[in-house]
Amino acid sequence: AQTVTQSQPEMSVQEAETVTLSCTYDTSESNYYLFWYKQPPSRQMILVIRQEAYKQQNATENRFSVNFQKAAKSFSLKISDSQLGDTAMYFCAFGVDAGNMLTFGGGTRLMVKP
Amino acid sequence: EPEVTQTPSHQVTQMGQEVILRCVPISNHLYFYWYRQILGQKVEFLVSFYNNEISEKSEIFDDQFSVERPDGSNFTLKIRSTKLEDSAMYFCASRNQRNSPLHFGNGTRLTVT
Repeated sequence: AQTVTQSQPEMSVQEAETVTLSCTYDTSESNYYLFWYKQPPSRQMILVIRQEAYKQQNATENRFSVNFQKAAKSFSLKISDSQLGDTAMYFCAFGVDAGNMLTFGGGTRLMVKP
Repeated sequence: EPEVTQTPSHQVTQMGQEVILRCVPISNHLYFYWYRQILGQKVEFLVSFYNNEISEKSEIFDDQFSVERPDGSNFTLKIRSTKLEDSAMYFCASRNQRNSPLHFGNGTRLTVT
């Protein structure tokens, strides 16, 4: 069974600053997918970024990037130039394929302050 | 952009009652899912559905739960006899290919009293 751990229940950052959210996971699988989902107050789960474990290059999506350390089983999310609209819960998730059965972490509540 | 839609957004039901949560996945999607999130806890996988049958289910998805795709557009989750511990946010999700990412709906908040 896989486990996903987010050790930071809450974080805050000043607008325009950079923040990094941590995620570690445990698995015996060699190929898998990792995801960050954002859940704003509207409750929708929005995919922020995904990483395929066989790809060594870290994924980036505009202001969002990941630091994927496969040996350490670490998958952190960096948000650059934080915006007020980034305020949300952020969930790290693991999937053996791209989403048939995702295992989620407990979430990190991010507050971006003006 | 097409969205997964869920209705109702909030449902209150009494313990022991049956409840049906409804979802309309994105039209060309083939894989359908239900997840739930008990308040303050993790998002948990319930069930996946493909080609008109369940492909995987978790331990949570016991005999009280069932899913159906009755008409080619809706995807429903039925809880036959609700318990207090079924109170949670229920998310429907879909995707069009096996390795494409999930698209989630806005969720239905179920409150069992």
